[in-house]
Amino acid sequence: GAVVSQHPSWVICKSGTSVKIECRSLDFQATTMFWYRQFPKQSLMLMATSNEGSKATYEQGVEKDKFLINHASLTLSTLTVTSAHPEDSSFYICSARVPRDISYEQYFGPGTRLTVT
Amino acid sequence: AQKVTQAQTEISVVEKEDVTLDCVYETRDTTYYLFWYKQPPSGELVFLIRRNSFDEQNEISGRYSWNFQKSTSSFNFTITASQVVDSAVYFCALSGWGYKLSFGAGTTVTVRA
Repeated sequence: GAVVSQHPSWVICKSGTSVKIECRSLDFQATTMFWYRQFPKQSLMLMATSNEGSKATYEQGVEKDKFLINHASLTLSTLTVTSAHPEDSSFYICSARVPRDISYEQYFGPGTRLTVT
Repeated sequence: AQKVTQAQTEISVVEKEDVTLDCVYETRDTTYYLFWYKQPPSGELVFLIRRNSFDEQNEISGRYSWNFQKSTSSFNFTITASQVVDSAVYFCALSGWGYKLSFGAGTTVTVRA
């Protein structure tokens, strides 16, 4: 099956610093990846759609200058949280689509738990 | 616009009881997919089922079963003879044109021994 990995699985950073989260498709090439954020006891909210070789499309209310997304290759998308603050502490999950898969299914990474102190 | 509603926030049952999770959706797309995911305390989403809008057949997989009714825009999920390992948050989700997934708020299922 399609496998998606994320690194790191958890990270603690100080307020004001930046942190990068990687999302990799391990056994397929993903032209489209998605980034979600999940606060405790809440649902997953789509942050942005990342397309290989082009700019990411951000959902309304998501600051694109704060959450930098780079999809430089067909197997890697990165999310950089710039100048992180405690309110950015959350569970970040990425997913990927298999190209030409008509099922609309997304394959999810295991998530990255970010804590900003 | 897409919307998924899971009206039940929490459900608590005793082991071996059946539990049904409700999911109601809204979409203007004629082609769409519905999903159920399980999220255990570890956080990783576990895919349970996918159903497209043209396939209204109900499905059974072991202790899990799903009832898709297009007429009422519902895609309900039943766990039969629940077990403690079924304790998790369950999400219903909808994907239509553009492939964006919209998640419901989730239902926390607690199965007590």
